Amino acid sequence: GESVGLHLPTLSVQEGDNSIINCAYSNSASDYFIWYKQESGKGPQFIIDIRSNMDKRQGQRVTVLLNKTVKHLSLQIAATQPGDSAVYFCAEPFTPGAGSYQLTFGKGTKLSVIP
Amino acid sequence: KAGVTQTPRYLIKTRGQQVTLSCSPISGHRSVSWYQQTPGQGLQFLFEYFSETQRNKGNFPGRFSGRQFSNSRSEMNVSTLELGDSALYLCASTKDYEQYFGPGTRLTVT
Repeated sequence: GESVGLHLPTLSVQEGDNSIINCAYSNSASDYFIWYKQESGKGPQFIIDIRSNMDKRQGQRVTVLLNKTVKHLSLQIAATQPGDSAVYFCAEPFTPGAGSYQLTFGKGTKLSVIP
Repeated sequence: KAGVTQTPRYLIKTRGQQVTLSCSPISGHRSVSWYQQTPGQGLQFLFEYFSETQRNKGNFPGRFSGRQFSNSRSEMNVSTLELGDSALYLCASTKDYEQYFGPGTRLTVT
């Protein structure tokens, strides 16, 4: 996943515009990624996931693109709404064995929607 | 179906004290994980419990510990609190490799 930084990248978009949030990863063997949305005062909430055998996956108003060549994924939100204001994280599951499961999170991007 | 619940939601402690946080997973979920979220380090994995056993542990000092009960409820404990322990502590319950997060406990150490 992303290296952790001191500053949270921010993105401000006008309501109705499309938003693009980016995430870089370092392990070329990574094969599964998840995007989470965290609203103020809440825990992260699953948005969409993608496996490495796919380049693109679409959900409701969201699309995730995966570029394995440059180890980059992006989350696109169509027709951004005020309710989309939140911090967005890319995450990579890690299964160290014995059925264990943990997530490694990127540093997150704060999306602010301007009405 | 009720989501993951965490208590308390907010907590203020003094350096040197200890604290216990509680998490109730979604009914039927047997795996509970804990994460620490800070502005500087982001979201970091603390540990995971399954069937009352710690199955995995992140890179945190021994002051951080946890346990899980037979009803899958989990607690985490932080002893000898330091200012740097101020954070949002998130609990997540997992089933079939899908992880669901609670709202977190906001711990402030003064």
